[in-house]
Amino acid sequence: AQSVTQLGSHVSVSEGALVLLRCNYSSSVPPYLFWYVQYPNQGLQLLLKYTSAATLVKGINGFEAEFKKSETSFHLTKPSAHMSDAAEYFCAVSEGGFGNEKLTFGTGTRLTIIP
Amino acid sequence: NAGVMQNPRHLVRRRGQEARLRCSPMKGHSHVYWYRQLPEEGLKFMVYLQKENIIDESGMPKERFSAEFPKEGPSILRIQQVVRGDSAAYFCASSPNPGRTSYEQYFGPGTRLTVT
Repeated sequence: AQSVTQLGSHVSVSEGALVLLRCNYSSSVPPYLFWYVQYPNQGLQLLLKYTSAATLVKGINGFEAEFKKSETSFHLTKPSAHMSDAAEYFCAVSEGGFGNEKLTFGTGTRLTIIP
Repeated sequence: NAGVMQNPRHLVRRRGQEARLRCSPMKGHSHVYWYRQLPEEGLKFMVYLQKENIIDESGMPKERFSAEFPKEGPSILRIQQVVRGDSAAYFCASSPNPGRTSYEQYFGPGTRLTVT
């Protein structure tokens, strides 16, 4: 069984500061890992994904994440926060393989940007 | 290329009525997933379908809920005899053939169901 833990349901950072959103996963097989962003009353947009290639993954809007197998982590970072980054962020895991593509999501982290 | 489309965007039903939620996947995508998001929670997997086949329904409640993805037309998530606890946002996602994909799913805007 797979699971995702996102530490910190709410994170506040000042505009221009580093953004760090934490995600730890559990999977019985090498995982596929994703970060999605959700703006109010909208669907989910893919920020980036890890699919067993490079462990440092770059995504859209200046975000990146590093897959660390030894720590079972996939934390999301952005060097300098922008007001438009305020949203809810979800980490998700999939075991891949036919029939196993379903995503298991964390409970989300709401990011607030302080002007 | 149009994205995943869901309709209606908002749906209000009285207790005991039926709710039908529709999802049209992205062009060329043959796999559809339904997820439910309860208030202040993450998304929970419900069901995974291919055309005319249910691949995984392990997240579907045993009663009142059903899903289909016919050969022609959108995927339908059907909730019979709705109760207040069914109030949630229901998201559909689609992906192309997993044989040549990195398992990325593309999400629609969701249907927000309110049961009064």
